[in-house]
Amino acid sequence: DGGITQSPKYLFRKEGQNVTLSCEQNLNHDAMYWYRQDPGQGLRLIYYSQIVNDFQKGDIAEGYSVSREKKESFPLTVTSAQKNPTAFYLCASSSGDGWNTEAFFGQGTRLTVV
Amino acid sequence: AQKITQTQPGMFVQEKEAVTLDCTYDTSDQSYGLFWYKQPSSGEMIFLIYQGSYDEQNATEGRYSLNFQKARKSANLVISASQLGDSAMYFCAMRDAPKDNKFYFGSGTKLNVKP
Repeated sequence: DGGITQSPKYLFRKEGQNVTLSCEQNLNHDAMYWYRQDPGQGLRLIYYSQIVNDFQKGDIAEGYSVSREKKESFPLTVTSAQKNPTAFYLCASSSGDGWNTEAFFGQGTRLTVV
Repeated sequence: AQKITQTQPGMFVQEKEAVTLDCTYDTSDQSYGLFWYKQPSSGEMIFLIYQGSYDEQNATEGRYSLNFQKARKSANLVISASQLGDSAMYFCAMRDAPKDNKFYFGSGTKLNVKP
């Protein structure tokens, strides 16, 4: 079945550590996105990529990094520079053809700093 | 500037009644898409309905319909015959692909369906 897989589902990080969240899609989508969601809040865009080997910062990119070496993969690294990383992280993908196609989401990763 | 505004942080509705969730948007583009998503407590994002800026008819998908008023820049979601399973967060989103291909999300509305 086609879809987006995020792993792990739960992740615990010690202060000062970098952690990487995985996002893989087999939908053949060009565009991929990372969003952060805090409790009771909306989705805020961290990074997005419209094509392999290219990505742009979203609204809250500080303390995060990404890569897009393959069409199907868009991993997110939460660095030690991110001061408040505890949140729910959602990865999404979409066809890049136009405005009439929806974003497909993964199941999310809950990151907690311990 | 905020692209998507959802002014109802929380709402209650009686089971089997209809409910309207408000959404207004801001764009200077002529071509854009509007989307609604449901997020249950599990966290997954479930796509519900889509409306294109050039669509003259309001979109419908089963019990969901989108009340699209282009001049007022509003795209309200109407859920008919509410069910207990409709209790969730609901997000309105906009995509203006010709510009930057990003999805902009509102802050969400928490819907509680009472038995």
